[in-house]
Amino acid sequence: GAVVSQHPSWVICKSGTSVKIECRSLDFQATTMFWYRQFPKQSLMLMATSNEGSKATYEQGVEKDKFLINHASLTLSTLTVTSAHPEDSSFYICSAQDTFNQPQHFGDGTRLSIL
Amino acid sequence: LAKTTQPISMDSYEGQEVNITCSHNNIATNDYITWYQQFPSQGPRFIIQGYKTKVTNEVASLFIPADRKSSTLSLPRVSLSDTAVYYCLVGRNSGNTPLVFGKGTRLSVIA
Repeated sequence: GAVVSQHPSWVICKSGTSVKIECRSLDFQATTMFWYRQFPKQSLMLMATSNEGSKATYEQGVEKDKFLINHASLTLSTLTVTSAHPEDSSFYICSAQDTFNQPQHFGDGTRLSIL
Repeated sequence: LAKTTQPISMDSYEGQEVNITCSHNNIATNDYITWYQQFPSQGPRFIIQGYKTKVTNEVASLFIPADRKSSTLSLPRVSLSDTAVYYCLVGRNSGNTPLVFGKGTRLSVIA
């Protein structure tokens, strides 16, 4: 079945650091990928839609200069949290869909902790 | 995007059948109903998807009435490992339509 892989699974870094998270579709091509954020005991919140070869579409309230998304190929989207601060600490999850009328598949998430 | 309503939490004993109902009164004609399971510190895992009537796979069944304004996920003979949060989502499977997550149902299976 379709597999979405995220890397790294866990990252701890100092405040002010920029962190890049990768999302790969391992056995299919995805022109669109989605990025979500999840705080403890809460549901997933959509951050942005990543489109291959074009600019990402951000949800209201998500700073596009803070969360840089690059979707340079049909199998890879990256989310870079720039100048991360403790309030950016969260669980970041990506998803992608391989074919029409098939369910979306999610990565296993990246736990980001900013000290 | 359709909004869904589910019970916040449910408890069940091992070996019992668990039914989780989701309301989606504003579901659109092209919307599918999809259920996901999420364990702590993991991404959601696909369980089952349907459009109407009944769908069954190796882990669950999904019952959808004719008006499609609700759906019921049925988990047969749950075990402790089924303790998780279950999300019901409705939306188009167009590939470029994001899923909007509600609060989900936290299922606790007790020995």
